[in-house]
Amino acid sequence: GESVGLHLPTLSVQEGDNSIINCAYSNSASDYFIWYKQESGKGPQFIIDIRSNMDKRQGQRVTVLLNKTVKHLSLQIAATQPGDSAVYFCAENSSSYKLIFGSGTRLLVRP
Amino acid sequence: NAGVTQTPKFRILKIGQSMTLQCTQDMNHNYMYWYRQDPGMGLKLIYYSVGAGITDKGEVPNGYNVSRSTTEDFPLRLELAAPSQTSVYFCASTSTLRGLDEQFFGPGTRLTVL
Repeated sequence: GESVGLHLPTLSVQEGDNSIINCAYSNSASDYFIWYKQESGKGPQFIIDIRSNMDKRQGQRVTVLLNKTVKHLSLQIAATQPGDSAVYFCAENSSSYKLIFGSGTRLLVRP
Repeated sequence: NAGVTQTPKFRILKIGQSMTLQCTQDMNHNYMYWYRQDPGMGLKLIYYSVGAGITDKGEVPNGYNVSRSTTEDFPLRLELAAPSQTSVYFCASTSTLRGLDEQFFGPGTRLTVL
């Protein structure tokens, strides 16, 4: 069946370092992917998205990489800050309404 | 705009009780969604609506019902609460069918069924 999963449940990084959060997906028909950030006690917040016709997309301090060959998605955060501490989810979309979420990676930023 | 609002923030139910989780958005979005999030997990879609009067099941609809009488409101109903429904519930809305990048989430309702 369809599934989206993450390799690392918790990632601890030093403030100022770069962070890389990984995600694997299994549905080759998925054509749209989103990264969300969820802070404690809040709903998910959109960070960045990418469509399957691209392999890289950059935002402000964030970059998403898509490798369709191995069905892998990653989120890179440059110069990680304490405010980046949160749980990060990848989600895939293969139909008009349905987002399938991964189980999340907790990012901890050490001062 | 207030965005997506949900009430209540917290609720404890006994097994077999019923309740309605309220969701309202003031952005005139056509598409609205209900998700549940179990501890340490991602979100799973319960129900969604593409406009007033139209609803459809998501991945995990059993034990829930919804209605969409207005564009603004999308309440989620639990008729016979069960411990398996202990979760955090998020409502979301978006303006277009493929506008998932503009999907706004509410703050969530934390429900415990004892």
